[in-house]
Amino acid sequence: EAGVTQFPSHSVIEKGQTVTLRCDPISGHDNLYWYRRVMGKEIKFLLHFVKESKQDESGMPNNRFLAERTGGTYSTLKVQPAELEDSGVYFCASSYSGRANEQYFGPGTRLTVT
Amino acid sequence: SQQGEEDPQALSIQEGENATMNCSYKTSINNLQWYRQNSGRGLVHLILIRSNEREKHSGRLRVTLDTSKKSSSLLITASRAADTASYFCATDDYGNNRLAFGKGNQVVVIP
Repeated sequence: EAGVTQFPSHSVIEKGQTVTLRCDPISGHDNLYWYRRVMGKEIKFLLHFVKESKQDESGMPNNRFLAERTGGTYSTLKVQPAELEDSGVYFCASSYSGRANEQYFGPGTRLTVT
Repeated sequence: SQQGEEDPQALSIQEGENATMNCSYKTSINNLQWYRQNSGRGLVHLILIRSNEREKHSGRLRVTLDTSKKSSSLLITASRAADTASYFCATDDYGNNRLAFGKGNQVVVIP
């Protein structure tokens, strides 16, 4: 069974540009989560999808971040326009409905904003 | 909001020794999980312990949970060089699916 995959693995962009991160969850997992770790800080929750619906987006830092999960399969996280403080590693995770807290994480996308 | 917090220490041990790290949290939880992150890689789920469990084993891993003290420990026995990684505990806010992570413990196993 394939795990959670994320693309790209690393992205370097300039301040003000736009970047879109993609996450493909484990097949059959209705729950999809985004987290991020900025330099030197803890891994922080961003948002949670159940199928295509946003269940909890309380961790989204501001309106420069837009997450979508059309069709309830893969998800994208767009940052527009990117700021220096957005640099960090963005993790995606997924889980079964019956075991929502047992979250399986992808390898992360390292975002560098210069 | 509640948060898993590891004792913020880097641990350097010889191969074959045991490694222990601790985690404390602040509020009620459904479960507590431990994850490992090797350099440049994603988070690997190691073990989940539920709030009604006190101890759990998985291979060379032993996790304890003391809900009265709101703390957990992760023991890695007979460590190997491949165990070199950052270890994170994560707790869930009771009633929702957000995971709250601590800062992580860096473990270096010297061959």
